Amino acid sequence: AQSVTQPDIHITVSEGASLELRCNYSYGATPYLFWYVQSPGQGLQLLLKYFSGDTLVQGIKGFEAEFKRSQSSFNLRKPSVHWSDAAEYFCAVGSDRGSTLGRLYFGRGTQLTVWP
Amino acid sequence: NAGVTQTPKFQVLKTGQSMTLQCAQDMNHNSMYWYRQDPGMGLRLIYYSASEGTTDKGEVPNGYNVSRLNKREFSLRLESAAPSQTSVYFCASSYQTGNNQPQHFGDGTRLSIL
Repeated sequence: AQSVTQPDIHITVSEGASLELRCNYSYGATPYLFWYVQSPGQGLQLLLKYFSGDTLVQGIKGFEAEFKRSQSSFNLRKPSVHWSDAAEYFCAVGSDRGSTLGRLYFGRGTQLTVWP
Repeated sequence: NAGVTQTPKFQVLKTGQSMTLQCAQDMNHNSMYWYRQDPGMGLRLIYYSASEGTTDKGEVPNGYNVSRLNKREFSLRLESAAPSQTSVYFCASSYQTGNNQPQHFGDGTRLSIL
């Protein structure tokens, strides 16, 4: 079955520091991968997505993610974090199989705190 | 640009009461979804509708019913609310049920069952 693991529940970084949020997935075929961000009291906003092709994907707000099939990972990165990036981040994998076609399976999320 | 609109934003119910959560999208999307979000659990799919006239169970459907009223609207009903259904509920939509179609989310309904 499809699943997503986000090993870090909470990460704290200083403003201006680099950021990497980890995501590992379990999936038998080529995965469809997404990163979403959720600000307090808001819904989820799509940051970026990977379907195929170039393994380094650029997203909105200066984020990027790299798909590594050998490590079953899709880590999210940003070179320099801004205070407004404080939020909860969710990694998700999409299913392309039969009865679960089109479903998204979410990780439990990583809460990002940014120190001034 | 309304996107996905959920009503109400907040609700408190007593155990055993019933309630319908409303969701509407104005993006001409074919597929719609209901999730619940609990602390430390991420989002879990309750029900989804691949297209108008169809609905299917997700991971956690027990205690819920849905209605795809038309292409725009997808409602979630709690017939007899239980404290375990205290959660934040999100509606989402996508152009179709496929993996190259990202889902767009509403701002959520925060539901407390006493």
